[in-house]
Amino acid sequence: ETGVTQSPTHLIKTRGQQVTLRCSSQSGHNTVSWYQQALGQGPQFIFQYYREEENGRGNFPPRFSGLQFPNYSSELNVNALELDDSALYLCASSFALGDEQFFGPGTRLTVL
Amino acid sequence: DAKTTQPTSMDCAEGRAANLPCNHSTISGNEYVYWYRQIHSQGPQYIIHGLKNNETNEMASLIITEDRKSSTLILPHATLRDTAVYYCIVRVAGAAGNKLTFGGGTRVLVKP
Repeated sequence: ETGVTQSPTHLIKTRGQQVTLRCSSQSGHNTVSWYQQALGQGPQFIFQYYREEENGRGNFPPRFSGLQFPNYSSELNVNALELDDSALYLCASSFALGDEQFFGPGTRLTVL
Repeated sequence: DAKTTQPTSMDCAEGRAANLPCNHSTISGNEYVYWYRQIHSQGPQYIIHGLKNNETNEMASLIITEDRKSSTLILPHATLRDTAVYYCIVRVAGAAGNKLTFGGGTRVLVKP
């Protein structure tokens, strides 16, 4: 059984650019959540997708958007990157809504 | 979701039990206590969760007080690989529990 995978591992962008991060859910999981983790802090919930529909959103601006595909893989898109967007972005999948979430290794984004 | 309070850091000796406290005095009747840990540069890892009864699995034990206002995660025989940040999270179960709210966690250092 393959766990949650994320790509790329690391990414460097400049302010104002756009970025797309990708996540493959664990087999059989239909729910995916995205979190942002700044250095030295706990992860912060961005949003969750359930069966291709957004199912809850944290306190993040609209330039953070997402997609979930029919195979339950997911993308996180961030437009107009700001320096404060530099963080570890974590994807987590679960078998169903409310179940325990299993995290991927994360994508470390650096915005210069 | 209710707020949790954990010590910032703690040390423990390899081979000894590690007892990690968590205070959640505003917990509601339908909220579970979850524990995750995050080893350096990895995604958080689910450990255990419980409602009101004590729980045990292959990783740890969870002791919840009778009034549910606090809990303790017990790692029975700590190893160096247990060095990590441990997060105590209170969360509504089921479909409404669509996010994990992470605090600062407890940084645990297991020493030889």
